[in-house]
Amino acid sequence: AQSVTQLGSHVSVSEGALVLLRCNYSSSVPPYLFWYVQYPNQGLQLLLKYTTGATLVKGINGFEAEFKKSETSFHLTKPSAHMSDAAEYFCAVKTSGSRLTFGEGTQLTVNP
Amino acid sequence: EAGVAQSPRYKIIEKRQSVAFWCNPISGHATLYWYQQILGQGPKLLIQFQNNGVVDDSQLPKDRFSAERLKGVDSTLKIQPAKLEDSAVYLCASSLVGISTRGETQYFGPGTRLLVL
Repeated sequence: AQSVTQLGSHVSVSEGALVLLRCNYSSSVPPYLFWYVQYPNQGLQLLLKYTTGATLVKGINGFEAEFKKSETSFHLTKPSAHMSDAAEYFCAVKTSGSRLTFGEGTQLTVNP
Repeated sequence: EAGVAQSPRYKIIEKRQSVAFWCNPISGHATLYWYQQILGQGPKLLIQFQNNGVVDDSQLPKDRFSAERLKGVDSTLKIQPAKLEDSAVYLCASSLVGISTRGETQYFGPGTRLLVL
């Protein structure tokens, strides 16, 4: 069985500061990893995903994530936070033949 | 390209009543998913359709929930009778192929927010 743990249900940063949202996964087989963002009263939008190949993945809105197999991690980063980044972020894992499993989410607040 | 459409956006009902949600996936997408997202949690898959056949409904509470996807396009999810714990956002998603051998992207609709009183 696979699972996802997002460390920190709430993260607060200042505008212009580094954003770091942590995600650790558990999977007995090679995973596919995703980050989704959810703005209030909206559905989920894909930020980026890792399937195979390069372990550093770049996504939309300046976000990127690095797949680290040895640490079973897929942390999301952005060098400089913007007010519009305030939202809830979900990490998700999938393996071949399985369903997409989401973490509990991290609410990002950006302070002016 | 139009996204995943869902209706209604909001619904308030009393417990033991029935309710239905509708989803129209992205044109040409073979796979359709229904998720339940309880406040403060990540989405949980209820049912997955491949065209008009069910691929995974292992987490669907079949005593009260039902879903269908007629003609392999749009879909309805029904709850009858509703319980207080069914209060959640119901998200519909679709993907192009869906046979889960790869990390295929799922595209989500805006969701239906259900409140059961």
